[in-house]
Amino acid sequence: KQEVTQIPAALSVPEGENLVLNCSFTDSAIYNLQWFRQDPGKGLTSLLLIQSSQREQTSGRLNASLDKSSGRSTLYIAASQPGDSATYLCAVILAGKSTFGDGTTLTVKP
Amino acid sequence: DGGITQSPKYLFRKEGQNVTLSCEQNLNHDAMYWYRQDPGQGLRLIYYSQIVNDFQKGDIAEGYSVSREKKESFPLTVTSAQKNPTAFYLCASSIGLTGEQYFGPGTRLTVT
Repeated sequence: KQEVTQIPAALSVPEGENLVLNCSFTDSAIYNLQWFRQDPGKGLTSLLLIQSSQREQTSGRLNASLDKSSGRSTLYIAASQPGDSATYLCAVILAGKSTFGDGTTLTVKP
Repeated sequence: DGGITQSPKYLFRKEGQNVTLSCEQNLNHDAMYWYRQDPGQGLRLIYYSQIVNDFQKGDIAEGYSVSREKKESFPLTVTSAQKNPTAFYLCASSIGLTGEQYFGPGTRLTVT
């Protein structure tokens, strides 16, 4: 059974710092991996989708990488801002059945 | 303005009652999903549907039922058989079963 782990569970950084969020999964037979942002009490907002044939994707200050052989993905956030404070979740996507990590709660202090 | 709507935002029910959560999308997506989120945890898949009139159980389908009579609608019924129904319920859709998933705002269900 696929298991997805996100470490750390919580992270607090000063504004302007670059940071990396980690996502690891146990079964490399995946289609895609998706990163989301969730604000308290809200739904999930898609940040980046990495297809299994890709190694990375970029959107603005965000860069996500995927290494299927080692079962790892990272989300790099450059020049963090207080507005980046949220919970970040990764999801391993199979055909219909996706497995989510428990998320990393990020706090960016002004 | 394309997106996914879920209603209501908050729902309160007495134990023993069935309740239906609404999910509508105008993204023309074939695939739709229902997830449950408990405090401090990730999402767990309840049901998913690849196409109209077809749906499959996810990891925690017991006590839930769905229907998919229209492409844009995928309602979820939480039955009295669900032992711990209080949770945050999220609906999502994607072009296909491996595509990028888009989420609605969620419904917070409280059963007392």
